[in-house]
Amino acid sequence: ETGVTQSPTHLIKTRGQQVTLRCSSQSGHNTVSWYQQALGQGPQFIFQYYREEENGRGNFPPRFSGLQFPNYSSELNVNALELDDSALYLCASSSSPGPLSYNEQFFGPGTRLTVL
Amino acid sequence: KQEVTQIPAALSVPEGENLVLNCSFTDSAIYNLQWFRQDPGKGLTSLLLIQSSQREQTSGRLNASLDKSSGRSTLYIAASQPGDSATYLCAVRIYNTDKLIFGTGTRLQVFP
Repeated sequence: ETGVTQSPTHLIKTRGQQVTLRCSSQSGHNTVSWYQQALGQGPQFIFQYYREEENGRGNFPPRFSGLQFPNYSSELNVNALELDDSALYLCASSSSPGPLSYNEQFFGPGTRLTVL
Repeated sequence: KQEVTQIPAALSVPEGENLVLNCSFTDSAIYNLQWFRQDPGKGLTSLLLIQSSQREQTSGRLNASLDKSSGRSTLYIAASQPGDSATYLCAVRIYNTDKLIFGTGTRLQVFP
């Protein structure tokens, strides 16, 4: 059984650029959540996708957007990058019978984004 | 608004000690609570998940308790080892949302 994978591992961008981060969910999982973790902080919820639909969003501006594909993999897109977007971006997947299941989430290794 | 706090922020202990990490949350209406381990620059590894109806969960040398009414959870690590050195995060799941709300973590160092 393959766990949650994320790519790339590290990324360096400059202010104003756009970035796409990718996540492959664990086999059999249909729900993907994205979190942002700034240095020394706990992860903050960005949004969740259940069966290709956005299913809940945290306090992040619209320049943070996402997609989920039919195979349940997911992308996080960030436009107009700002210095404060520098963080570890974590993806988590779970197996959910519905859009609200409270099932255990399994995390990937993260993508470290640095914005200069 | 749910807030999660972890005390202490950092802890350094000699190998072999038993230790307790604390997690408190402001709203007792939680669905479950999860403890994670995070190694530097890495993702999160789930350690224990406690449903709101449970009082504790055990896995090996780890034991997590939950007192929902007082808004507290503790993670007990028995006979600590240098390999336990990491940041430990707790997170709660509140009703009507599938997001996890995290504390800021306790950074643990176990020295030989």
